[in-house]
Amino acid sequence: DIQMTQSPASLSASLEEIVTITCKASQGIDDYLSWYQQKPGKSPQLLIYDATSLADGVPSRFSGSRSGTQYSLKISRPQVDDSGIYYCLQSYSTPFTFGSGTKLEIK
Amino acid sequence: EVQLVESGGGLVQPGRSLKLSCLASGFTFSNYGMNWIRQAPGKGLEWVASISSSSSYIYYADTVKGRFTISRDNAKNTLYLQMTSLRSEDTALYYCARRPGGRRYFDYWGQGVMVTVSS
Repeated sequence: DIQMTQSPASLSASLEEIVTITCKASQGIDDYLSWYQQKPGKSPQLLIYDATSLADGVPSRFSGSRSGTQYSLKISRPQVDDSGIYYCLQSYSTPFTFGSGTKLEIK
Repeated sequence: EVQLVESGGGLVQPGRSLKLSCLASGFTFSNYGMNWIRQAPGKGLEWVASISSSSSYIYYADTVKGRFTISRDNAKNTLYLQMTSLRSEDTALYYCARRPGGRRYFDYWGQGVMVTVSS
């Protein structure tokens, strides 16, 4: 099974910062990597797919990138509404595996 | 508007069975792969099962293989998850999620249905 190591587990940032969340895959996943945001009591929402493509309706302050087998989600000048838990997902091979999640607080 | 509405959850004793449904609307259901993902209380997301648009390809997580069965009825726009031999560790909020044809991500999720396995 492919392991997705997500970090950090939690993060507090201000409105002026750049937030970066990473997921390292245990093997190559051919950019079959997506990012999801989950707010309390809500279902996850797609942010980024295929590692770097922005999902419909997602603000351009969100972006995705890759370096080797490490994938990153960047939020530039985050808003308070961006607070929540972020998950990565590899869908290169089954079992599909999620990262452990990053709880983000925007102050 | 794309909608996925799960139903069928509840409290069930260990070892018993339960069948979840996910009614889809707002899109051509038969063109999309579908998945079940679950989230134990206070925990992260766990992929459970996947089914292709025509039911030709089906995959399961090892934790549910042999106990859970994913299926779909394209005429009824409905996805199912038959769960048998339920265990306490199956207690979770179960989401259905849509996978665009030929793509490998989940673009719409339902609101989830709670399954509690307890005596």
